[in-house]
Amino acid sequence: EAGVTQSPTHLIKTRGQQATLRCSPISGHTSVYWYQQALGLGLQFLLWYDEGEERNRGNFPPRFSGRQFPNYSSELNVNALELEDSALYLCASTLWERGADTQYFGPGTRLTVL
Amino acid sequence: KQEVTQIPAALSVPEGENLVLNCSFTDSAIYNLQWFRQDPGKGLTSLLLIQSSQREQTSGRLNASLDKSSGRSTLYIAASQPGDSATYLCAVRDTDKLIFGTGTRLQVFP
Repeated sequence: EAGVTQSPTHLIKTRGQQATLRCSPISGHTSVYWYQQALGLGLQFLLWYDEGEERNRGNFPPRFSGRQFPNYSSELNVNALELEDSALYLCASTLWERGADTQYFGPGTRLTVL
Repeated sequence: KQEVTQIPAALSVPEGENLVLNCSFTDSAIYNLQWFRQDPGKGLTSLLLIQSSQREQTSGRLNASLDKSSGRSTLYIAASQPGDSATYLCAVRDTDKLIFGTGTRLQVFP
């Protein structure tokens, strides 16, 4: 069974540009989570999508947005990039069952903002 | 607000030692607690998940315990190997997201 996949592996942008990151969940999983792992800040929850809807978002500015497609894959968009957006962005998928689920993580996208 | 802390932040041990990694959380209202392993620059690998109603879980040389009332979990690694070198993260699940600890960076040398 294929795991969670993310693309691209690495992304280099300049300040002010937009970045688009993609995630494909495990087959059958309907929930996708996005997390940011910035140096020195640990892993922080960004967004949660389930059944095509945004269910919750973490303490991040509106520049961070995304969507979930009918096939449950997801896209994270970061507008007006700032230097501090440089981080490893991790996607996780799960079949949400009242918190009884395990979240399975992809390999991540390393975003570097110059 | 839930806060998750891991002690120690870093650990270096010789091969063969039994290890205990600690995780503490401030709010006992959790759905579950999950331990992950992260290799440098990589994603997370799930090691063990303990539901809030459970006390422990075991997988191979790994054993994780959960004491909700005291807000603590421990990950026990038996007979450590160089391949166990990685960062270990615990995460508690509230209603709809994981809240991660700060991690323990483990190095096992031959």
